[in-house]
Amino acid sequence: ETGVTQTPRHLVMGMTNKKSLKCEQHLGHNAMYWYKQSAKKPLELMFVYSLEERVENNSVPSRFSPECPNSSHLFLHLHTLQPEDSALYLCASSQELGGTQYFGPGTRLLVL
Amino acid sequence: GEDVEQSLFLSVREGDSSVINCTYTDSSSTYLYWYKQEPGAGLQLLTYIFSNMDMKQDQRLTVLLNKKDKHLSLRIADTQTGDSAIYFCARVRGGADGLTFGKGTHLIIQP
Repeated sequence: ETGVTQTPRHLVMGMTNKKSLKCEQHLGHNAMYWYKQSAKKPLELMFVYSLEERVENNSVPSRFSPECPNSSHLFLHLHTLQPEDSALYLCASSQELGGTQYFGPGTRLLVL
Repeated sequence: GEDVEQSLFLSVREGDSSVINCTYTDSSSTYLYWYKQEPGAGLQLLTYIFSNMDMKQDQRLTVLLNKKDKHLSLRIADTQTGDSAIYFCARVRGGADGLTFGKGTHLIIQP
């Protein structure tokens, strides 16, 4: 089983839709992360979870809502997104907070 | 300027060595990383170096760290077409600090 998986791999949504991105790690790690990769900016850290508790929220708009029900799963709930939110959303995990991070393949999101 | 800076493009001939450079500003960085991203894929961890080391070698990859100048480099020996990708330099301080990335260097391999 691949270390970090993400579903769906591609998503197209309208601005009024609600959707969720899913990340699952099979590495037994305790920390999980969401990053945004858009065309014109460096990868941006969005959220950090450690042992299912959110420890970092980098001024992300409230239309992005993370959820970490257990240490293996991380979700990103999306609602009323804007076209500028179109990007590749990457999930990562690490053994402990601040440790070496391993990434999933990403979800390519297009907001129309 | 940016926290982590890299050149956007590097072109090398197949079989030559590639050297990708990175500079960073945060002297409290504890670990520095190199990730590889192929088209349509996520980030693959290539190698990393602890801030109190100055060199690390792993098969075809050599990482050099000049902590005084805050300069990191990745040398790929005998570059192959499969090395064509975007290479990201990243740093972390630890704790809840996530990775801070450069914009990535596109490595282009000429036959």
